[in-house]
Amino acid sequence: QKEVEQDPGPLSVPEGAIVSLNCTYSNSAFQYFMWYRQYSRKGPELLMYTYSSGNKEDGRFTAQVDKSSKYISLFIRDSQPSDSATYLCAMSFFSGGYNKLIFGAGTRLAVHP
Amino acid sequence: GAVVSQHPSRVICKSGTSVKIECRSLDFQATTMFWYRQFPKKSLMLMATSNEGSKATYEQGVEKDKFLINHASLTLSTLTVTSAHPEDSSFYICSAPTKAEAFFGQGTRLTVV
Repeated sequence: QKEVEQDPGPLSVPEGAIVSLNCTYSNSAFQYFMWYRQYSRKGPELLMYTYSSGNKEDGRFTAQVDKSSKYISLFIRDSQPSDSATYLCAMSFFSGGYNKLIFGAGTRLAVHP
Repeated sequence: GAVVSQHPSRVICKSGTSVKIECRSLDFQATTMFWYRQFPKKSLMLMATSNEGSKATYEQGVEKDKFLINHASLTLSTLTVTSAHPEDSSFYICSAPTKAEAFFGQGTRLTVV
């Protein structure tokens, strides 16, 4: 079993739809939970991060963490074609003096006009 | 957020030659740098961790003599792919961790012909 499981998609939605992206994990030592967006042939860019269970909102994006279920989600409201990208969940734990990141496989999202 | 600059963004080299990829932290000091490799439609795989002033730590299965990492200063880490072969063709990304998250370079697309 992988430490972080993420459905690779692809996920195709119409413009304006609400998108739900999810990851599950198995390691209780994970401390921080992040969502990265990666456009084709670019490095990942951080969208949101959180360290506690609950919701965190930033504009059209909401990150949700449920530590008891080991489940995290990213919701995108009013999705736009510019949101089309691969979304990677990542989780970190402290090891060897720094936070090490473990990534999900990434979910490819396509928002069509 | 913090900026990590990686170059070149794209390089094509002949089989048997070596290629150096640079990663600089522009507005902060990165004592640690992660180097990832990403295959098409796959997630990031951690290759090694470079620490300023000491030897890099390689993940299991990564050839130390093939992927040379140097972290000579607090703002520069380099990855050299030695005697490159077509199977080394991939997307290489560096990342500088902070307390809670990590900032990524733009990535380098290496094609070995």
